[in-house]
Amino acid sequence: GAGVSQSPSNKVTEKGKDVELRCDPISGHTALYWYRQSLGQGLEFLIYFQGNSAPDKSGLPSDRFSAERTGGSVSTLTIQRTQQEDSAVYLCASSAGTGSWDEQFFGPGTRLTVL
Amino acid sequence: GENVEQHPSTLSVQEGDSAVIKCTYSDSASNYFPWYKQELGKRPQLIIDIRSNVGEKKDQRIAVTLNKTAKHFSLHITETQPEDSAVYFCAASGTDSWGKLQFGAGTQVVVTP
Repeated sequence: GAGVSQSPSNKVTEKGKDVELRCDPISGHTALYWYRQSLGQGLEFLIYFQGNSAPDKSGLPSDRFSAERTGGSVSTLTIQRTQQEDSAVYLCASSAGTGSWDEQFFGPGTRLTVL
Repeated sequence: GENVEQHPSTLSVQEGDSAVIKCTYSDSASNYFPWYKQELGKRPQLIIDIRSNVGEKKDQRIAVTLNKTAKHFSLHITETQPEDSAVYFCAASGTDSWGKLQFGAGTQVVVTP
């Protein structure tokens, strides 16, 4: 079946502009995660959604970052007033949502470059 | 919150030799420890994981060991091959963080023929 998909694959924007990044999880997966990977660094947790529960936003670095998940499927990560330090690869992952040790399947990522 | 440290940051091994990567974690409530492999320009993929009720798990040339008392876990790759060259990430999560993985900084493994 289809894996996790993300769009766009690359995004170049100017400082101060808003951007939206999209994630399509694996069909049937109730848990969805966003991570950020800066050049040569590990993955930094941003936010996760599980079913109809309130999202865990504890990893969002500032109030310029927000995310929503419509209909329990597609998710959009929005970064307002982008800054150069926001440049990174944004990875989405999904899991079956049955337990804390479900395998997380990652998407290919969106490479964001803020000029 | 959880903090995961990973060592070494780079590891160069001769083909056929073994590679060992070590991680330590801070939260004693963590109970799930996956390892991901990320090849250049590709997405991370799970290669092996271990739960806190087990001390060791093996899958062909890959094994993971967990020491809950010392709060550290390790990845062992035996008989390394050039296709093992990649960045490896360890991670940890607990029931209170429910799948929210805290990742180590990664280890760049280079296997030379």
